[in-house]
Amino acid sequence: GDSVTQMEGPVTLSEEAFLTINCTYTATGYPSLFWYVQYPGEGLQLLLKATKADDKGSNKGFEATYRKETTSFHLEKGSVQVSDSAVYFCALIIQGAQKLVFGQGTRLTINP
Amino acid sequence: DGGITQSPKYLFRKEGQNVTLSCEQNLNHDAMYWYRQDPGQGLRLIYYSQIVNDFQKGDIAEGYSVSREKKESFPLTVTSAQKNPTAFYLCASRRDLNQPQHFGDGTRLSIL
Repeated sequence: GDSVTQMEGPVTLSEEAFLTINCTYTATGYPSLFWYVQYPGEGLQLLLKATKADDKGSNKGFEATYRKETTSFHLEKGSVQVSDSAVYFCALIIQGAQKLVFGQGTRLTINP
Repeated sequence: DGGITQSPKYLFRKEGQNVTLSCEQNLNHDAMYWYRQDPGQGLRLIYYSQIVNDFQKGDIAEGYSVSREKKESFPLTVTSAQKNPTAFYLCASRRDLNQPQHFGDGTRLSIL
């Protein structure tokens, strides 16, 4: 079946550090890939997406590239801020399907 | 502003009681979804609806029921048959299969 595996958390970094959160997937069809962010006590917000191989999604300084050859969609940011502290979810959906398949989430804490 | 409104934000259930979680959207989206989030886990799909008066079971539908009488509304009932209802419940919607899902801010359900 379809699945998403994320880097285990929690991840703790200092402000201005470089961030990578790894995400790999297995899919029976052709997936679109997403990163969602969840701030404390809130729902999920779409952070970025990519719908085909080699697409790069970007938003708010975050980037992720759809790598079909390594079945990966790693999230990166060059310089994190305290306000980036949240839980990050990698997810996929097979094109034409209804269900989002989520990774388990990675909690990120940024210290000043 | 368009969006998805979930209410209440916090809900308490007594043993043997049914409770209903509200989800309303004014985005004119056709499809709506209910997910359950447990600590340290990703989201799991409970039910979804692609159009009014139609809905489908997700991966963990047992102990839950839904209705879709209006396009804007997709309430979820947690029945007494759901033995472990304590969780964070998220409603989502999307316009069509080519668009990402957008989420509400969630309802946290606890057992008294």
